[in-house]
Parts: sequence; C-alpha cells; structure tokens
Amino acid sequence: QQQVKQSPQSLIVQKGGISIINCAYENTAFDYFPWYQQFPGKGPALLIAIRPDVSEKKEGRFTISFNKSAKQFSLHIMDSQPGDSATYFCAAGGPIDMRFGAGTRLTVKP
Amino acid sequence: EAQVTQNPRYLITVTGKKLTVTCSQNMNHEYMSWYRQDPGLGLRQIYYSMNVEVTDKGDVPEGYKVSRKEKRNFPLILESPSPNQTSLYFCASSLLGGQGEQYFGPGTRLTVT
Repeated sequence: QQQVKQSPQSLIVQKGGISIINCAYENTAFDYFPWYQQFPGKGPALLIAIRPDVSEKKEGRFTISFNKSAKQFSLHIMDSQPGDSATYFCAAGGPIDMRFGAGTRLTVKP
Repeated sequence: EAQVTQNPRYLITVTGKKLTVTCSQNMNHEYMSWYRQDPGLGLRQIYYSMNVEVTDKGDVPEGYKVSRKEKRNFPLILESPSPNQTSLYFCASSLLGGQGEQYFGPGTRLTVT
C-alpha cells in the first residue's frame, strides 16, 4: 500500500518558472518529511526537510509547505533552472522507517 | 569522506544463481536499510536494521535476505534470483533511523535473465 502519494509523475517547467510537487501521507506517526533529489546514475540526496511543528521551511529557492491537518506537504522550486532537472522524491519518516513517494521527474526547459 | 558504498554497481545474472550485494558505511550509523527503485513505484524498502544483529522486514522483503554482523556492513542476499527482482537497488544509512537524513549509496543495477 502506498503510504505516501506524490503528484505529478512528471513536470515540465520553463526556466524561471515555479515548480510545485505535492505529497500526501496517511500515517499520523510520521514526524519527519524530507524531499530528496536524484540525478541520473546517482543515489537520492537530501534536498530539504521539515518537521511538523512548523508550516513552512525555506532554503534558497526551495520551500516546503506543510499542512498537518490535511496530511499534505509540497515542494516549491522558485526561479527553476535547467540544473534543477532531476527526479524528486517526497518521503515521510517515523521512529522505525521512512516511506517514499513514487517520484516526480522534473524537466526545466531553457 | 562520509559515504555509503555498494558493490557491484552493475550485475547481470541468471535465474536461480545466488548473489550478494555488499553495502558499507563509514559514518558509524546504527540504522541501515535497503530499497529497490522501480519506474512509477518510487523507492520501496526491502529490509532495515536498527543495529547489529537487529533486522526487520520492509514493504517488499520476499526473495531477499539480509544480515548485520558488523555496524558498518549490511549485505543484501538473493538466494534464488528471479526476473521480477530486476531493479535498481540502493543501500542507505542514517543516524536517526526514519526520523533523520538517509545517506544513499550509488546504487546497484541488477538484471536477472
């Protein structure tokens, strides 16, 4: 069963535009919500993460918005650049393990 | 350099031939895990280990075995590989289990014919 649902599957954005990826989770025991970025031929790497005591976290052009009551969170990439083209995974972690979304392939066109 | 290493990076094998994918981390993490990545399915956890000699099943453990005899190593064993185990495999380690950053290895692409 997919405990973390991610959308869209793929996303094409023009350079300078805003990329938005959404995730929803089911288990209220999750208390750590990271986003991972994966380039072809590489392992995923942590991009940004949030804990449920805050509703938003910003690091440079990357922002996580978190809605605890709706059990949803999203990644916003401002001023998207071609170098941001990658696969993005949301995840939800608890005391024992972490569950990942299915991934979003982002393409930023020059 | 802090890292997770996996070997081999690429492997082509035949159905039923036992194989082992090794994983090693140099960050003294207690938590380690194995994932498989398939198109449209994301990363699915196979097994995880909270500490030496402590392992447990993830979401897709069928056909896999693991062992954790030392803190730094967490090998993945396929006793009798089948074509449906053709996938991209990642090992990861973490200081805080599921509540902290997972450090991923470079991946092992396995093809079972």
